[in-house]
Amino acid sequence: SQQGEEDPQALSIQEGENATMNCSYKTSINNLQWYRQNSGRGLVHLILIRSNEREKHSGRLRVTLDTSKKSSSLLITASRAADTASYFCATHPGGSNMLTFGGGTRLMVKP
Amino acid sequence: EAGVAQSPRYKIIEKRQSVAFWCNPISGHATLYWYQQILGQGPKLLIQFQNNGVVDDSQLPKDRFSAERLKGVDSTLKIQPAKLEDSAVYLCASSSTSPGSSIFGQGTRLTVV
Repeated sequence: SQQGEEDPQALSIQEGENATMNCSYKTSINNLQWYRQNSGRGLVHLILIRSNEREKHSGRLRVTLDTSKKSSSLLITASRAADTASYFCATHPGGSNMLTFGGGTRLMVKP
Repeated sequence: EAGVAQSPRYKIIEKRQSVAFWCNPISGHATLYWYQQILGQGPKLLIQFQNNGVVDDSQLPKDRFSAERLKGVDSTLKIQPAKLEDSAVYLCASSSTSPGSSIFGQGTRLTVV
């Protein structure tokens, strides 16, 4: 079973708009990570947020973490066509060594 | 820095045949993972190595899948015999610490016909 579940499953926006993706998880975590996967390619690590952090920024990316709700969000501001990809959240459930992924959000940014 | 190398990139085999995938992780990364990603789904962890020891293989179908990392560097994943439902992308990843961020290879796309 998957630890994280992303919402929405698919998102289509216009270039320049912001994109928000959500992730919910089930058990306690030490950190939560977001990855991007372009079609037919491997996954690229975007950002890691620790359980004692509430918000983290990296360029046009903003990640929030609410451990009381067991949820995280990834915001991409001023989206570009090149941001078109699938985005996955991943956690180590219960502090385990296993990195477990959600089902992903497929983002399409139209030029 | 060289990335995680995987080969082959693509493989097509008939059901009941055998297949092997190879992964060379980032130099110095002690942790190595094999994932199976079925089209439209997130990656599913098959096995995790720490150096040459298995940390977790609870989701590896051991009746047909096997993996090894003999010298704590390269790793191979084998399927014998393959089934149609094994069609997927097999991703290898490595990390210097566990838990921590992982570097992924491009994957091997397996099609079983």
